[in-house]
This record gives sequence, structure tokens and C-alpha cells, in this order.
Amino acid sequence: EAGVTQSPTHLIKTRGQQATLRCSPISGHTSVYWYQQALGLGLQFLLWYDEGEERNRGNFPPRFSGRQFPNYSSELNVNALELEDSALYLCASSFLTGRTDTQYFGPGTRLTVL
Amino acid sequence: AQKITQTQPGMFVQEKEAVTLDCTYDTSDPSYGLFWYKQPSSGEMIFLIYQGSYDQQNATEGRYSLNFQKARKSANLVISASQLGDSAMYFCAMRESAGANSKLTFGKGITLSVRP
Repeated sequence: EAGVTQSPTHLIKTRGQQATLRCSPISGHTSVYWYQQALGLGLQFLLWYDEGEERNRGNFPPRFSGRQFPNYSSELNVNALELEDSALYLCASSFLTGRTDTQYFGPGTRLTVL
Repeated sequence: AQKITQTQPGMFVQEKEAVTLDCTYDTSDPSYGLFWYKQPSSGEMIFLIYQGSYDQQNATEGRYSLNFQKARKSANLVISASQLGDSAMYFCAMRESAGANSKLTFGKGITLSVRP
């Protein structure tokens, strides 16, 4: 069974541009999560989508946004890029089984803002 | 206050020996889940083991076991028979179930190096 996939693997942008990151969850998973792992800041929760709706968002400015499509894949958009947005962006998916909703992660997209 | 605390800056273990990675947590939610993930240098987060707050027994998954001490709010990961491929960053994470919150809160991680 295929795991979570993310594209692109690497993305290089300049300050002020927009970045779009994509994630495909494990087949059958309805929830998608986005996390940012910036150097020195650890893993920070960004967004949670379930059944096409945004369910929760972390402490990030509105220029971080996203959506979930009917096939449960998801897109993260970062507008007006700033240097400190450079980070590894990890997507995870899960399906609530009643006991646990373990999140399984993709390989990440490494965003570099110049 | 930090919700997940991992204070060991770096750990070294000899191949084939066991190692314990510490994790303490803080929550007032009676229902929560604790997770351990491994992150090799490639960056992908690999799920290792899960412990629910109401689980009576400590979780085990192959060479991984979780030493869950609820009263002390600790959830230490034990890796038995270490292998060179175990060298990586290890993260402890918690999921609280209050309301619509399904996010994971991560600790800062521990670097494990396995020596041949």
C-alpha cells in the first residue's frame, strides 16, 4: 500500500513569491495534517483538514492557507514568502479507528526562500 | 509550559545493546495519546509506537516498547538490540482529544547514535 506522498521534494522561491505544496494521503485516510519543521523551532502544527473542511489551524499567519480536495489530497499555499518560511513541510494523514488516529507522514517538501 | 519534554541532548549506544529515550508530558486531559516517531537524515517521520492514556499495558512493537508511567507522566521509548540503522532523531508526541483538537504536539527530539 502506498504511503503519503508529497510534491515537490524541493522548492526554491524568492521573498514575496507564493509557494504551493501538495500532499496525497494514504488510501482510505480522510484527514490530512500539515506541519512545519524549521531549524531550531521543532515541529509546529499548521493545519488540519478532514472531509474537505479545515478543522483546526496552528499559530500561523493567514498567508498560510490550504484546502482539501474531494479525493482527500491537499494543497498548502504560502503567500508573500518570507525568509523565515524556509523549512521542511511535512504532511501526514490519518483515519480515526475508534482507538487511535495515528498520523503517518510523507517525506516532506523542503522549501527554501532566498 | 512545555507539553512534551525531551531533555536528553544526544544519546550514544553500542550496537546490539538496549537504549531508553526519555519523554515526559503535561496535560490535564484524561484522554490522550502518546506517539514516538523516528526521523532519519532523509527527513521522513516514521511512526514507531502508540500508547493510549487508558491502555492498561505498555505498548510494544517489535524491538520498540514504551515504558508508560501515567502517574509520573512519562512515556519512555525502549529500543532493544540496537542496530546501526536506528541512528536518527527520535520525537515524542502527544495528541489531546479535547474538542476538535487532533494535532500532535512534539518534543524537541533526541539524537540517537548507534556505534558499531
